[in-house]
Amino acid sequence: KNQVEQSPQSLIILEGKNCTLQCNYTVSPFSNLRWYKQDTGRGPVSLTIMTFSENTKSNGRYTATLDADTKQSSLHITASQLSDSASYICVVSDRGSTLGRLYFGRGTQLTVWP
Amino acid sequence: EADIYQTPRYLVIGTGKKITLECSQTMGHDKMYWYQQDPGMELHLIHYSYGVNSTEKGDLSSESTVSRIRTEHFPLTLESARPSHTSQYLCASSGSGGAGTDTQYFGPGTRLTVL
Repeated sequence: KNQVEQSPQSLIILEGKNCTLQCNYTVSPFSNLRWYKQDTGRGPVSLTIMTFSENTKSNGRYTATLDADTKQSSLHITASQLSDSASYICVVSDRGSTLGRLYFGRGTQLTVWP
Repeated sequence: EADIYQTPRYLVIGTGKKITLECSQTMGHDKMYWYQQDPGMELHLIHYSYGVNSTEKGDLSSESTVSRIRTEHFPLTLESARPSHTSQYLCASSGSGGAGTDTQYFGPGTRLTVL
């Protein structure tokens, strides 16, 4: 069964600290993996996208890694800011259909305290 | 910021009412999607469209219907709302690249409450 599991479910850190969010997936055949940021009451916004051959991708203070062999990904946030408080969703796409079916994790709820 | 819009942002209605959630995008994307999201849960695909006059049901069974008469417009209709329809509804669109490679751009969502 194709699944995407994220951990931790929620995380609280102090402003300025770093953190790492985890994503494990069983989706096959694999096409790509995205990390989205979803602010409360808003739609998700794409942060990074990685294909099978990419190990790491950065977007400002966000750095995503991918290990396609172990089917694991992580999102590292450096020098956190209050505006980083949001849900971070891992999304994996398969190559099994023209649509490119997306599998969503439940997200990690990050709270950054001053 | 993506050019995809949803109205209304919030809606509280009584059981049995007919409602239409609007979604429009100005990016010229062929593919559009409707997702349902409950708090703390993953997004579930309920409808999608490859282009004008093309609509398909998604993975999650839904009593809603959709139409795609114009490229930019993808409204979702509930003929008779029930409390079980209470949820957040997210609309998204993507371009016409290879399978699964195009990023989906999401609207701000409609928070629906059925009393």
